[in-house]
Amino acid sequence: DAGVTQSPTHLIKTRGQQVTLRCSPISGHKSVSWYQQVLGQGPQFIFQYYEKEERGRGNFPDRFSARQFPNYSSELNVNALLLGDSALYLCASSFSYFGANVLTFGAGSRLTVL
Amino acid sequence: AQSVTQPDIHITVSEGASLELRCNYSYGATPYLFWYVQSPGQGLQLLLKYFSGDTLVQGIKGFEAEFKRSQSSFNLRKPSVHWSDAAEYFCAVRLLGGSYIPTFGRGTSLIVHP
Repeated sequence: DAGVTQSPTHLIKTRGQQVTLRCSPISGHKSVSWYQQVLGQGPQFIFQYYEKEERGRGNFPDRFSARQFPNYSSELNVNALLLGDSALYLCASSFSYFGANVLTFGAGSRLTVL
Repeated sequence: AQSVTQPDIHITVSEGASLELRCNYSYGATPYLFWYVQSPGQGLQLLLKYFSGDTLVQGIKGFEAEFKRSQSSFNLRKPSVHWSDAAEYFCAVRLLGGSYIPTFGRGTSLIVHP
């Protein structure tokens, strides 16, 4: 079985632009979470979706948005990019969002904002 | 607020030596506990987890961790480190109820000398 897949793997944007990152969860997993990892830091929670509904939102500005599709894949959108948005964006999937669940992470999308 | 502390930013060991990475958390109740490893440019891979039961848990790649409720700790250990263990290690904590969002520590970078 394929693991969590993310695309693109690397991308470079300029300030003010918009970016869309994509994530396909492990087959059978219904929950997707997004994390931002700045160099030298641990992952910071952005969003969690389960069954296409938002179940959690971290402390990020409204420039960050996400959605989950009927096939449980997900997109993370970031508008009006700032230099500080440069980071590794990690997607993780799990069967559900409650109980004894374990997150399985993708390899991430490396965003550089110039 | 819940928090996870990994007090060591960097740890350097010689190949073949033993290893202990520290993790402390501050929560009101026993949480779910995880250790993840991240190789350069990669996503996070689960090493082991504690949900309940035996407080000494075994993981992949020869790692183990011990949950000590009295010390609010979940330290990761390995008896003999291999050069391939050089990576970033993250402790994560999640409550059994309420928010199901894992909180990650800032990570410990393991350097292995030959």
